[in-house]
Amino acid sequence: GQSLEQPSEVTAVEGAIVQINCTYQTSGFYGLSWYQQHDGGAPTFLSYNALDGLEETGRFSSFLSRSDSYGYLLLQELQMKDSASYFCAVRENQAGTALIFGKGTTLSVSS
Amino acid sequence: SQTIHQWPATLVQPVGSPLSLECTVEGTSNPNLYWYRQAAGRGLQLLFYSVGIGQISSEVPQNLSASRPQDRQFILSSKKLLLSDSGFYLCAWDGQINYGYTFGSGTRLTVV
Repeated sequence: GQSLEQPSEVTAVEGAIVQINCTYQTSGFYGLSWYQQHDGGAPTFLSYNALDGLEETGRFSSFLSRSDSYGYLLLQELQMKDSASYFCAVRENQAGTALIFGKGTTLSVSS
Repeated sequence: SQTIHQWPATLVQPVGSPLSLECTVEGTSNPNLYWYRQAAGRGLQLLFYSVGIGQISSEVPQNLSASRPQDRQFILSSKKLLLSDSGFYLCAWDGQINYGYTFGSGTRLTVV
């Protein structure tokens, strides 16, 4: 079956670094992506990894290891506005098939 | 510019009533379109996706149906709503962001 596992909750303080892990088990793999969703809002795209390694976009980085079926989202210099839910998602095939989402990780940033 | 519109934003419907949610995309042609549902505090469950007019793939057999009458229009429907149909319904499109989805603003449906 298909499954994406990520922690349900993570807490951190402003200025800290937090890592949200995601392990996946799918019938195919065409890339791992990450989405952010603030309470009451729609998810917004953060990053995408098709190949092994680290992708950096400002304070956020995403890592992928296809051999381990594992990835993570790294958030640095945390700010209060980073408090949100973060979802990993896998595309099993090329464009035209849907993403499979994890259940999400709720990040709470305190001052 | 390319945008995705979804309405209404909120909806309260009685059990047994019909449902029609609409999603439209502007500024592109032949988009891949998706309907997801999110229960309170939960992940996103894929309901339907469409790669073209009249082409609908259903992921979860349930009380809902989808149609794509026009290239940039995707409609989610139900003939008779159930309490379990309550949730946050999201339309998405892949094409604006390389390998990523752009989501509509969502419809929060409460069935009472």
